[in-house]
Amino acid sequence: AAGVIQSPRHLIKEKRETATLKCYPIPRHDTVYWYQQGPGQDPQFLISFYEKMQSDKGSIPDRFSAQQFSDYHSELNMSSLELGDSALYFCASSWRQAAKVSPLHFGNGTRLTVT
Amino acid sequence: GDSVTQMEGPVTLSEEAFLTINCTYTATGYPSLFWYVQYPGEGLQLLLKATKADDKGSNKGFEATYRKETTSFHLEKGSVQVSDSAVYFCALRSDNQFYFGTGTSLTVIP
Repeated sequence: AAGVIQSPRHLIKEKRETATLKCYPIPRHDTVYWYQQGPGQDPQFLISFYEKMQSDKGSIPDRFSAQQFSDYHSELNMSSLELGDSALYFCASSWRQAAKVSPLHFGNGTRLTVT
Repeated sequence: GDSVTQMEGPVTLSEEAFLTINCTYTATGYPSLFWYVQYPGEGLQLLLKATKADDKGSNKGFEATYRKETTSFHLEKGSVQVSDSAVYFCALRSDNQFYFGTGTSLTVIP
């Protein structure tokens, strides 16, 4: 079965640079979530999209932005990178129409290292 | 607000030991409850779920029962294996938002 696809798998950037992470949700899933997971931490919710519109906003810094495109893929844009942005970034998708039973399906994440 | 409280780790068990990882929740409505497992360097994988009170989720020998009276969803396995070593996250879905516990690291030694 198709899963959530994230790219790139690993990314190394320097401070103050920008980064773009991509996410391709499971086909027919209408909701995309972005999470940040620091070492030994639980996933922290950043932002979500439903039907290409921003749905909820969590602890996403102002330096970050995200959008969902017409084909439902999503991109997380990160600017003025800081050392503290080094983390695993997960995308997850779900199907809001089956809200009660539809779990989050996670991609394998993008490991961002800021040097 | 809604939240999940999970037993802190790390937990170290010998192979074939009994596992319990406690999870309790706070929610205003009727959430769905999940357990996720994360292996090193990978994303979170759904382990099991329960969508209403008294439901029992089960998968790969793991079980958890949705207990509304105690607002709990404890994860259990009768006989753990080395391959079960991972981090386990309890989560709830309320409306369209997901809330995660802080994760419990499990190490199973031969």
